[in-house]
Amino acid sequence: GEDVEQSLFLSVREGDSSVINCTYTDSSSTYLYWYKQEPGAGLQLLTYIFSNMDMKQDQRLTVLLNKKDKHLSLRIADTQTGDSAIYFCAGEGYQKVTFGIGTKLQVIP
Amino acid sequence: DAGVIQSPRHEVTEMGQEVTLRCKPISGHNSLFWYRQTMMRGLELLIYFNNNVPIDDSGMPEDRFSAKMPNASFSTLKIQPSEPRDSAVYFCASSSEGGGTSEQETQYFGPGTRLLVL
Repeated sequence: GEDVEQSLFLSVREGDSSVINCTYTDSSSTYLYWYKQEPGAGLQLLTYIFSNMDMKQDQRLTVLLNKKDKHLSLRIADTQTGDSAIYFCAGEGYQKVTFGIGTKLQVIP
Repeated sequence: DAGVIQSPRHEVTEMGQEVTLRCKPISGHNSLFWYRQTMMRGLELLIYFNNNVPIDDSGMPEDRFSAKMPNASFSTLKIQPSEPRDSAVYFCASSSEGGGTSEQETQYFGPGTRLLVL
């Protein structure tokens, strides 16, 4: 099955860019996702990328996909305190979506 | 739509008691997922249903856990008997695709049930 790994913690200053990285194992993953979990809440889809794309941009968010290295990243430009949350990478393998353990992003004012 | 609804939001119980968690998926969604989230293990998929049928329950920890989906609008996750190590946040999620369709599947999560077993 799919294995998704990501670092546990990232700290950035407000206004800087944040880059959250993720690696996955299933090269047949059709879609890769980024979810955001705010304190006390469930996960919410931020963005996703289809496996035949290298990059997807959505306002302050940029997703980069390197299929060869099975590496996915999420860049948040001009990080705000409201971006403080846990970010989950997820890969869609056969019949199910597998989530990483989540990266806690701390934004320092 | 109100989104995925879970109840109760918080549950505190004593070891050995039965716990029942409830979920109402988004209307029209045909896939439902139960997850458990802990600090140590992150987010774990316990079981998922497609068209009310359990498709993959390989994540269910042991026989003390059971899940049902009697109809398209309701599912339960039961722990009997509960143990302190079951303390976690349990999420229910639903999506409009599933079952290996290879279509993009956005999962919509409920707010979770925070379970504490003393």
